[in-house]
Amino acid sequence: DTQMTQSPTSLSASVGDRVIISCRASQDITSAVAWYQQKPGKAPKLLVYAASRLESGVPSRFSGSGFGTDFTLSISTLQPEDFATYFCQQYHGAPPYTFGQGTKLEI
Amino acid sequence: QVQLQESGPGLVKPSETLSLICSVSGGSIRNYFWSWIRQPPGKALEWIGHMSTTGDSRYNPSFESRVTLSADTSKNQLSLGLRSVTAADTARYYCARQEGDVFDIWGQGTDVTVSS
Repeated sequence: DTQMTQSPTSLSASVGDRVIISCRASQDITSAVAWYQQKPGKAPKLLVYAASRLESGVPSRFSGSGFGTDFTLSISTLQPEDFATYFCQQYHGAPPYTFGQGTKLEI
Repeated sequence: QVQLQESGPGLVKPSETLSLICSVSGGSIRNYFWSWIRQPPGKALEWIGHMSTTGDSRYNPSFESRVTLSADTSKNQLSLGLRSVTAADTARYYCARQEGDVFDIWGQGTDVTVSS
């Protein structure tokens, strides 16, 4: 199975900051990566798929990039509602699908 | 809009079968694949398996020998059965709708503890 190594595991930032979260795949997965946001007690929310395509309704301050083994999720201007946990998922040649460990974004 | 709600016993004894239901509202379960995903405390999400109402199913090899997925179209529900559970099966369990190979709608999850 393809392993996804996500970093950092936690990140402190302030409203208005730009943050970048990374995922590295254990093998070439082309652009088969999705990113999700999860808030405590809430259902995870799909943000980005195919490495860089924004899901409908997701604010444009979110963006994804990467190809092959290295991927990033960027949030350009942090808003208070963006403080959450983010995780990546790979789906190249899947199933089985695999996920990163998650990044907790804190104020 | 489509909403998913997982339900089931929060406590299961070791060696028994964990049984969960995912109730889907706001849309039909037909024409999609539906996945079960879990997250043990402090660990990454794990994909358990998926199925469609046409009977197509795939499982994570880590669970294949002891998992059963089913669907009830009359109730618009999905079901997960996981046999011979151990403490390692303690986790939050989610159901999720697939759009292609990504999960576009998730339930809030239900916590399951395996303990005697």
